Amino acid sequence: DADVTQTPRNRITKTGKRIMLECSQTKGHDRMYWYRQDPGLGLRLIYYSFDVKDINKGEISDGYSVSRQAQAKFSLSLESAIPNQTALYFCATSDLGEAEVYEQFFGPGTRLTVL
Amino acid sequence: RKEVEQDPGPFNVPEGATVAFNCTYSNSASQSFFWYRQDCRKEPKLLMSVYSSGNEDGRFTAQLNRASQYISLLIRDSKLSDSATYLCVVNPRGDAGNMLTFGGGTRLMVKP
Repeated sequence: DADVTQTPRNRITKTGKRIMLECSQTKGHDRMYWYRQDPGLGLRLIYYSFDVKDINKGEISDGYSVSRQAQAKFSLSLESAIPNQTALYFCATSDLGEAEVYEQFFGPGTRLTVL
Repeated sequence: RKEVEQDPGPFNVPEGATVAFNCTYSNSASQSFFWYRQDCRKEPKLLMSVYSSGNEDGRFTAQLNRASQYISLLIRDSKLSDSATYLCVVNPRGDAGNMLTFGGGTRLMVKP
């Protein structure tokens, strides 16, 4: 089984709808992240959480909210989806790796299309 | 200026060729550097970290030039399976935890 899972894998929705993307991990990591990826722009950080009680905005948090329900679960919500939120969304986790380097482990991604 | 810049490519090379990618970063305080690999429609995965002294992992060699603020990745004896997008990733020290900044990626296509 995959260590980091995301649901749904694909979603098509309409402008104005509320959407929730879910992420679960079995790696036991404290740190979790949500990114979006757009062609040519690389991955951009939306929100991150270092533990259940810690939530932080990333580079592009406007229009998004998150919930850290447990160490293993981190959800991303689009309260009122708009077409420019069409993107590939990745969840990631991290913990202390070798040489104090935090490798991030990514889920398989959710492809979201907002019409 | 983007924080991490890469030539998007694509780099089209024959099997067995040697290919090199460069990446520049804008934050001179950056301390940690990585190359991630991303296959089409898949998630990024860590390929290798980049250390100040340079490091090698099989056919892959990563170099860091702090003075010029660039990172390179060299792939020798290219295989068809090396076809992917290579993401240059930087972690500026001082950011809380592991806040990674990603380049847009360089696409590599290895042809038979």
